Amino acid sequence: DVKVTQSSRYLVKRTGEKVFLECVQDMDHENMFWYRQDPGLGLRLIYFSYDVKMKEKGDIPEGYSVSREKKERFSLILESASTNQTSMYLCASSLWTSATNEKLFFGSGTQLSVL
Amino acid sequence: DQQVKQNSPSLSVQEGRISILNCDYTNSMFDYFLWYKKYPAEGPTFLISISSIKDKNEDGRFTVFLNKSAKHLSLHIVPSQPGDSAVYFCAASLTGFQKLVFGTGTRLLVSP
Repeated sequence: DVKVTQSSRYLVKRTGEKVFLECVQDMDHENMFWYRQDPGLGLRLIYFSYDVKMKEKGDIPEGYSVSREKKERFSLILESASTNQTSMYLCASSLWTSATNEKLFFGSGTQLSVL
Repeated sequence: DQQVKQNSPSLSVQEGRISILNCDYTNSMFDYFLWYKKYPAEGPTFLISISSIKDKNEDGRFTVFLNKSAKHLSLHIVPSQPGDSAVYFCAASLTGFQKLVFGTGTRLLVSP
């Protein structure tokens, strides 16, 4: 089974802090994603990466950056945390394919509270 | 601009009855659709999918129907069980594009 592991289940940070959310997958997937889940808004894509050192903006990248130095690890960085970034953050991975559709496998999520 | 919409934020059903969750999309280029289930404090897990070349796909108690002309899909759960109580997200994608577009979710509550 695919395992996607997010380093923290709960985080509490102060406004203005730099925050790192870490995600590791163990199935050699090329694609990795960061989503945030908010009530009434569903899952919104922040950033994704289809290869090491490659990244692409999703629908809501403002205030975030990412890092993918190794294939199995994808980090989400909040440069200066703000209260509107309080949310559930979900990491996911999938195989890269040009011809078919691959489903995403999600981690358990990190509930981030910015005070 | 919400490309995938789930207009019912919640649904309550009695155990043993049918649950029908609905999803609409606006982009006619989408050719693959998925349903995910999410319990509190857990990540979403894949439930069932359907390609646009089909109009129905079954897996046990779960059936997904696709109406391409109406840009509408639905998930039927028969019979519903209390353990089905969760938030259900529909998602859509284009073949060859690596990302999914998710709907806003429907919270299903199945009461005994």
